Amino acid sequence: NAGVTQTPKFRVLKTGQSMTLLCAQDMNHEYMYWYRQDPGMGLRLIHYSVGEGTTAKGEVPDGYNVSRLKKQNFLLGLESAAPSQTSVYFCASRLGQGMSYEQYFGPGTRLTVT
Amino acid sequence: QQQVKQSPQSLIVQKGGISIINCAYENTAFDYFPWYQQFPGKGPALLIAIRPDVSEKKEGRFTISFNKSAKQFSLHIMDSQPGDSATYFCAATMNSGYSTLTFGKGTMLLVSP
Repeated sequence: NAGVTQTPKFRVLKTGQSMTLLCAQDMNHEYMYWYRQDPGMGLRLIHYSVGEGTTAKGEVPDGYNVSRLKKQNFLLGLESAAPSQTSVYFCASRLGQGMSYEQYFGPGTRLTVT
Repeated sequence: QQQVKQSPQSLIVQKGGISIINCAYENTAFDYFPWYQQFPGKGPALLIAIRPDVSEKKEGRFTISFNKSAKQFSLHIMDSQPGDSATYFCAATMNSGYSTLTFGKGTMLLVSP
């Protein structure tokens, strides 16, 4: 049982380039989340999904898109990377509505945009 | 608008001492208050959580104290150890719809040997 995994672990992009971060969970969780973590800013929610095929905006969604085509995967896309998107990105999952509130986090992806 | 305010930003405690981290919230609809612990290079992990129907919850050396009237809750780490050195986040959520967690900005704790 791997829990929540994220790929890649590190990435350097040039301004304007695009990329996709992959999150996978093997716990059959309904809900999945993407956060970014910046020094002194805590964890800020980018987008989330409450089930396969559904997504919703979080606190800081601009510049990002997401897709949840399969229950176990949640993809975060940057269409045209900007230096302001330099951050550590965390994916998390949760069992579902009416269940435990606990979110299980992946190990993170460190992204640098130059 | 920051709905969960956390203090201090950083904290240095001697081994064996008590670490105290405080959080305040604004939304009275919040009904679940977890604390997450994050070690360098790792993702956050749930440490302990409380609901507003109790004023205190203890798990080992970790205790949450909750003051509903003041809209405040705090994490106490008794007999702090160097292995407790980590970043701690408080959070809050409500049991309505597809509730999401609102996190505080985090406290970096260093326990000196």
